Amino acid sequence: AQKITQTQPGMFVQEKEAVTLDCTYDTSDPSYGLFWYKQPSSGEMIFLIYQGSYDQQNATEGRYSLNFQKARKSANLVISASQLGDSAMYFCAMREGGDYKLSFGAGTTVTVRA
Amino acid sequence: KAGVTQTPRYLIKTRGQQVTLSCSPISGHRSVSWYQQTPGQGLQFLFEYFSETQRNKGNFPGRFSGRQFSNSRSEMNVSTLELGDSALYLCASSLDGQAPSPLHFGNGTRLTVT
Repeated sequence: AQKITQTQPGMFVQEKEAVTLDCTYDTSDPSYGLFWYKQPSSGEMIFLIYQGSYDQQNATEGRYSLNFQKARKSANLVISASQLGDSAMYFCAMREGGDYKLSFGAGTTVTVRA
Repeated sequence: KAGVTQTPRYLIKTRGQQVTLSCSPISGHRSVSWYQQTPGQGLQFLFEYFSETQRNKGNFPGRFSGRQFSNSRSEMNVSTLELGDSALYLCASSLDGQAPSPLHFGNGTRLTVT
């Protein structure tokens, strides 16, 4: 079964607007971590933000924030004030409990328009 | 601090050959993991090493192998290459391989098998 689901293959957003990327996950482990990565066309995976399952508050890192809804098993990424440089593929990923691997979603391509 | 370094960036090999990819983690990081990225299968976990020990292995055939050296540098080897092995191979390092330590990825090695 898919552990991470990203239902939006591609999105367009106007420069300076906010965009929300959806991510739902599936796990029975009470301890897990959720990550978001950005992959520009150059191929490098860039770590953006982390949310732990026991964290009480939603994570924020600059223009990135994570809308964590534990009961719904969703961890949506919000990018505020989009910039042209935000155009990339975005991946949601999860690491469960004592596991050492990340399970990735299929990704969402974001294209920022001027 | 230098990031994760992968060499070479590009490789072209012929079916049946073998290939070795190299990864130097961020200084102080003891966990190194490898991922294969293809358009069809997305990002898939290959294996993870910590202090020269493989702690976790993904669902790949035995032709895929790896190792980690005492300085945390890692190599992965693919023997008897098949066309389907064409992919972007990403190496990632983290402090201990467990959440909340994020994985920091290299630029990847793009392998083309002809």
